[in-house]
Formats: sequence, structure tokens, C-alpha cells
Amino acid sequence: EPEVTQTPSHQVTQMGQEVILRCVPISNHLYFYWYRQILGQKVEFLVSFYNNEISEKSEIFDDQFSVERPDGSNFTLKIRSTKLEDSAMYFCASSEGGQNYGYTFGSGTRLTVV
Amino acid sequence: LAKTTQPISMDSYEGQEVNITCSHNNIATNDYITWYQQFPSQGPRFIIQGYKTKVTNEVASLFIPADRKSSTLSLPRVSLSDTAVYYCLVGDRGDMRFGAGTRLTVKP
Repeated sequence: EPEVTQTPSHQVTQMGQEVILRCVPISNHLYFYWYRQILGQKVEFLVSFYNNEISEKSEIFDDQFSVERPDGSNFTLKIRSTKLEDSAMYFCASSEGGQNYGYTFGSGTRLTVV
Repeated sequence: LAKTTQPISMDSYEGQEVNITCSHNNIATNDYITWYQQFPSQGPRFIIQGYKTKVTNEVASLFIPADRKSSTLSLPRVSLSDTAVYYCLVGDRGDMRFGAGTRLTVKP
């Protein structure tokens, strides 16, 4: 079964540093998403991406965040200057045709900001 | 976006059928209903999706009444490994929002 692959599985970074979280979506999928989940809390939507541009973003996705699809296979989330409250599991997801097709999620990157 | 309401938690025993109901009173005409399962420290996993009436796959069934203001996820003969959080999502846009979900605990 096709998978969404995320790397690294765990990243520790110092406050103020930049981090890039990487995702390889399923190859024939066209829609890409980032979500995060702070420990013990619900899954929060960050951003959706289609046709090489952001289609939706949440109030969490401020100027510190950016996404990019640098080539035909990778989808990245960059946090420019990490804060302690950015510590969370970050999940990438992809979909063949948007919400009506269901999303396939990756196993996540646990980001710890110290 | 349609707001969803689910029970916070449910308990069941192995071998029983579990039904989790989600209410979504302001569902829009174009909205689909999708259910996900999440285990601790893992990403959500797609279970089933429907628009109306009944949908069944190898894992679950989804029942949607004619008014579509609610939906029921049915898990037949649950096992301990079905202990997880189950989320009901409603919408047709690219910013699907998860609620708190229903924490299902299956006991031996």
C-alpha cells in the first residue's frame, strides 16, 4: 500500500533555529497538507497546497511557517525561528483529489524545541 | 465548515459491535463525511467516507440518514487493537479540521 514518508522521525532543535520537515507524498496525489498535534491535544490543520501554491492556511500558519515543493516528489515545511510552543508532532498528508478522496497521513515528525 | 459533535469517550468489550455517532447539523450540500482512526504517536488513518445512505468496506460501515445531519461509524466485532481515537470530519474544502474525536477503549 502506498505510503506518505516523513523525515526525520524525531528532531531536536534549539529555540530560534530554523527547521525543515520533509515529506514525500504518494506519487499520484495532487493535494498536500501539513497538520500538527501538540502532545495530548487534537490534530490541528496548518496548510493545504495544490498546484504549487497554498490553497488554505490556518491562523497557526503565520509568517514563521512556509511550505515548498522543491521538486516533483518532496513537500517541505519550514519553521524559520522555532519557539518552545512549536514542539509537537507534525504530520504530512496527501490526497488524490482533495477532501472527498480522503487523506493519507505520514507517521509524523516529532519536533522538540529546547 | 460544518461543526461536528462526538462523544468524548466510549468503552466496549472484545467481540462487540461499536457504533460511534457524530452530529453535524449544518452540513452543506457538497460536504462529504469522513472518519479517521488515530493510535498514539501515529498519524490519523483513513477509515471510511460517505455522502449518503450506507457505505461499507472491509473495516467499517458508515450509516448516514436522509437528512445527513448525523452519521454513525459501525465497527463490527472490535478487538483490543481497535483501541484508538476516532474522528469524524465533514467538509469539501482543503482545510479539514479535526475535532477532539472519540476515544474508544476496548476491554478484554
